[in-house]
Amino acid sequence: QQQVKQSPQSLIVQKGGISIINCAYENTAFDYFPWYQQFPGKGPALLIAIRPDVSEKKEGRFTISFNKSAKQFSLHIMDSQPGDSATYFCAASPNTGNQFYFGTGTSLTVIP
Amino acid sequence: NAGVTQTPKFQVLKTGQSMTLQCAQDMNHEYMSWYRQDPGMGLRLIHYSVGAGITDQGEVPNGYNVSRSTTEDFPLRLLSAAPSQTSVYFCASSLTRDRGENYGYTFGSGTRLTVV
Repeated sequence: QQQVKQSPQSLIVQKGGISIINCAYENTAFDYFPWYQQFPGKGPALLIAIRPDVSEKKEGRFTISFNKSAKQFSLHIMDSQPGDSATYFCAASPNTGNQFYFGTGTSLTVIP
Repeated sequence: NAGVTQTPKFQVLKTGQSMTLQCAQDMNHEYMSWYRQDPGMGLRLIHYSVGAGITDQGEVPNGYNVSRSTTEDFPLRLLSAAPSQTSVYFCASSLTRDRGENYGYTFGSGTRLTVV
């Protein structure tokens, strides 16, 4: 059973556009929500993370929006660039431990 | 500071063979884990450890063993390889969650395993 559901599976965006990736969860014990970026042949790398006491966190062109009541969170990439082409994973961690549960990933392609 | 180092990068095994995937970190992280990555299934937790001498099972532990004798090392053993274990394996480490605001995994570069 997938603890974190991620969509879409793949996404194609033109350069300069906005990329949006969505995730949903059910476990109310989750209290930390990071996003990871993975380039081909590499391990995932932490991109940005949020805790449920805030509704939005922004770092440069990357923004996480968090809706606690709906148990959903999303990653927005503004002014998408070809260098952003990668696989993005959302994840969630419970307040009772260090484990992370990952979504199934979104393959983002930004076309020039 | 090398981060998380995984060896080997590539491996081909025959069905029934055993092997150990090595993982070492030099960041004094207490928490270490092993994931497998398969197309369309994301990253699934195999085993994890919250410190030396302490290990526990994740979502997909069958066919794998781990041990944690030191803080730095967390090897993953495949007992009798099966084609279903063909995957990319990632080791990851982190501080325990009460240590920082932006805690998260540092991943190794992965081991691509093929079982024939």
